[in-house]
Amino acid sequence: GESVGLHLPTLSVQEGDNSIINCAYSNSASDYFIWYKQESGKGPQFIIDIRSNMDKRQGQRVTVLLNKTVKHLSLQIAATQPGDSAVYFCAVSFPNTGNQFYFGTGTSLTVIP
Amino acid sequence: DAMVIQNPRYQVTQFGKPVTLSCSQTLNHNVMYWYQQKSSQAPKLLFHYYDKDFNNEADTPDNFQSRRPNTSFCFLDIRSPGLGDAAMYLCATSRDRGSEQFFGPGTRLTVL
Repeated sequence: GESVGLHLPTLSVQEGDNSIINCAYSNSASDYFIWYKQESGKGPQFIIDIRSNMDKRQGQRVTVLLNKTVKHLSLQIAATQPGDSAVYFCAVSFPNTGNQFYFGTGTSLTVIP
Repeated sequence: DAMVIQNPRYQVTQFGKPVTLSCSQTLNHNVMYWYQQKSSQAPKLLFHYYDKDFNNEADTPDNFQSRRPNTSFCFLDIRSPGLGDAAMYLCATSRDRGSEQFFGPGTRLTVL
């Protein structure tokens, strides 16, 4: 079956450091990828997305890297702030399921002041 | 502001007592989704509507049903809640299948 995985369930970083959150996926036909941030008691919030015709996309303090060869994507957060503390999910579309998104396990990021 | 609204935010029900969760959207999106999210887990897709077309995930229990009376509203009905159904229920919308999904704040369901 389809699978989406994250390498690390928890991540602690010092305020001001950069954070890297990873995600592996199984379906080489997946063509759209989204990173969501979920704070406690809230719904997931869109951070950044990338399509398979790109290997890098940058936003404000965030960068997503896509490596289709090894089916891996990462979220990089620059100068991590306490407000970045949350659970981060990658969501991967699977074309053979009508482009539904499946979510990875999630990485809990804790920023230490 | 355009948004996805879920009511109530917290719902308590008794074992076996039917419960309905509500979702509404002002985005005029074609697709509405229901996800179940248990503690420290990823959201799990239960089903979605593309316009009036209902699409059930293969492993969604029959205990879960959904209604979409119009574009703006979608309901999740749990016919006989069990203790294992206690979870956060998230509603999401997207303009089209495979488009970015916008999530509501969720309804936290407790089953006593």
